[in-house]
Amino acid sequence: QVHLQESGPGQVKPSQTLSLTCTVSGGSINTGGYFWSWVRQHPGKGLEWIGYIYYSGSTYYNSSLKRRVSISIDTSDNHFSLKLSSVTAADTAIYYCARHQEQVGIDYWGQGILVTVSS
Amino acid sequence: EIVMTQSPLSLSVTPGEPASMSCRSSQSLLHSDGYNCFDWYLQKPGKSPQLLISLGSNRASGVPDRFSGGGSGTDFTLTISRVEAEDVGVYYCMQALQTPPTFGQGTKLEIK
Repeated sequence: QVHLQESGPGQVKPSQTLSLTCTVSGGSINTGGYFWSWVRQHPGKGLEWIGYIYYSGSTYYNSSLKRRVSISIDTSDNHFSLKLSSVTAADTAIYYCARHQEQVGIDYWGQGILVTVSS
Repeated sequence: EIVMTQSPLSLSVTPGEPASMSCRSSQSLLHSDGYNCFDWYLQKPGKSPQLLISLGSNRASGVPDRFSGGGSGTDFTLTISRVEAEDVGVYYCMQALQTPPTFGQGTKLEIK
């Protein structure tokens, strides 16, 4: 059974960089057919796709965040990471990491981590 | 980007009764290989979303057969044949034909 777990600070100051890591267990991240993804959810709101990374390192980002977002992958340590720069209060959200399988959908989600942007 | 529009935004159903919700996309989600790049997810209160239906009509592993998905192209439906108390939450549709994947705004299911 694949398990994803987000980790990182629960509070970030405005203008700083939000950094989160997603540790994957129960399966190798270094496998084709999966897009390792980040999705966020503003408090009480819907789901917003942030971006994903393929095991090869290819990345795809939501254009609304593209200038500020970076996703990287560490296949040796089986985790992938999210960096979001120049954060504001509008970036306060629950951040989920997830596995998006081709022709299947987002079949595994982490439990989510609430990140609050506040001084 | 492709816009996903769900209706209704909320639904209140008596246990044992059926429920149905819809999702419409601004462009066809039919892939050139003949399948729809369209999923349904359920987010139970306080939990992460979970995959219910992929490719428009394929139930995910472990999903009860009272859930069924239908439709093609731009119009899709999710039907629950007999609602149970554990089905409460927000149902989201998502398209994966184009990047970025986009979600509908959600349909909140409540039990009467």
